[in-house]
Amino acid sequence: AQRVTQPEKLLSVFKGAPVELKCNYSYSGSPELFWYVQYSRQRLQLLLRHISRESIKGFTADLNKGETSFHLKKPFAQEEDSAMYYCALSRRGSTLGRLYFGRGTQLTVWP
Amino acid sequence: AAGVIQSPRHLIKEKRETATLKCYPIPRHDTVYWYQQGPGQDPQFLISFYEKMQSDKGSIPDRFSAQQFSDYHSELNMSSLELGDSALYFCASGNGEHYGYTFGSGTRLTVV
Repeated sequence: AQRVTQPEKLLSVFKGAPVELKCNYSYSGSPELFWYVQYSRQRLQLLLRHISRESIKGFTADLNKGETSFHLKKPFAQEEDSAMYYCALSRRGSTLGRLYFGRGTQLTVWP
Repeated sequence: AAGVIQSPRHLIKEKRETATLKCYPIPRHDTVYWYQQGPGQDPQFLISFYEKMQSDKGSIPDRFSAQQFSDYHSELNMSSLELGDSALYFCASGNGEHYGYTFGSGTRLTVV
């Protein structure tokens, strides 16, 4: 069975500080990993997907298969980064398969 | 660019009533997904459709049913509503050209 774990429910940092949102997963096959962001209970927005290896809004995430992790990082947090962040997994090969979400981490960036 | 449209935005129903939520996918998207997000909870997959056929089914109660129509819009029908059905219901749409899909703004259902 697949599972996504985000160990931190709440995370607070000051503006300009580095931030890392942790995500671990368990899945017997090859997963596709995503990060979604949700501002003030609005729609879920795709932030990153591991296959594209891109940087969005200064955020990066690297898939570490050895540690089964997909941590989200940003070197200098901004106040507008305050939001709920969800790590999600989909089965590879099932291009548009369902997403399995973690519980989410509420990030607050203080001025 | 057009996004995923959901209606209504908010809905208040009494227990044991029925509710219908609608989702209009992005043009040329052939797959629709429904997720339920309870208060303080992560989104839970309910059901999905590909080319108007059910493609996957998650933790959707038997009281709920859904379908995708010829114009690719989808409707989630919920009967015998319970207080625990109060949640934000997201619809998402996608196609085969890229991974990930686009979510709508959601319908907030409150059962009183």
